[in-house]
Amino acid sequence: QVQLVESGGGVVQPGGSLRLSCAASGFTFSTYGMHWVRQAPGKGLQWVAFMQYDESYEDYADSVKGRFTISRDTSKNTLYLQMNSLRAEDTAVYYCVKEPRAGTTMGDVFDIWGQGTMVTVSS
Amino acid sequence: DIVMTQSPDSLAVSLGERATINCKSSQSVLYSSNNKNYLGWYQQKPGQPPKLLIYWASTRESGVPDRFSGSGSGTDFTLTISSLQAEDVAVYYCQQYYNHRRTFGQGTKVEIK
Repeated sequence: QVQLVESGGGVVQPGGSLRLSCAASGFTFSTYGMHWVRQAPGKGLQWVAFMQYDESYEDYADSVKGRFTISRDTSKNTLYLQMNSLRAEDTAVYYCVKEPRAGTTMGDVFDIWGQGTMVTVSS
Repeated sequence: DIVMTQSPDSLAVSLGERATINCKSSQSVLYSSNNKNYLGWYQQKPGQPPKLLIYWASTRESGVPDRFSGSGSGTDFTLTISSLQAEDVAVYYCQQYYNHRRTFGQGTKVEIK
């Protein structure tokens, strides 16, 4: 079955770095657009980053642009989020999310979500 | 970025009664070339990731009960739960996918009265 499993969260000091991973299974990873979405404690959902299925396009929320980098390794069926210069306001559960249609360059919903990994930025 | 605004922030509905959630986008999410509204609805229960309910503003995801329906076009959308069940207690989010910079509404918490 289609599954996304995030890992790599933890507690980090302000200014520190962390790399999140998302292991994908049950589908042809290389043909789907993938995203990261976060949710601060008790708050709503915030889109963070996107990578198109063919890696030709990526985009970031203004709040993380220049600090976060999304990447994917199709040989390992894994999506990554490199997070640098972390701030207290980056504290959140980070979800790895998949689009439902293969090979599309158009916008799409999120049909599969991982369980999330918690990132806490605190001194 | 497209701003999504939901109303109300919370509502309490009796079991078996109708619940209605509104969502307004700061610009149209209707794509003229295919006449589709790039608008989705999600349900999130405590401690769980969100679950897709509705896409293209009115198409139910497979397995979603038919008491959930979506309507609207352009900038104004509605999610309706026709007969609220105990298991529908959750926070509901609308989301635009008109562009790659997805944005969500702030969420509407649905409770039992």
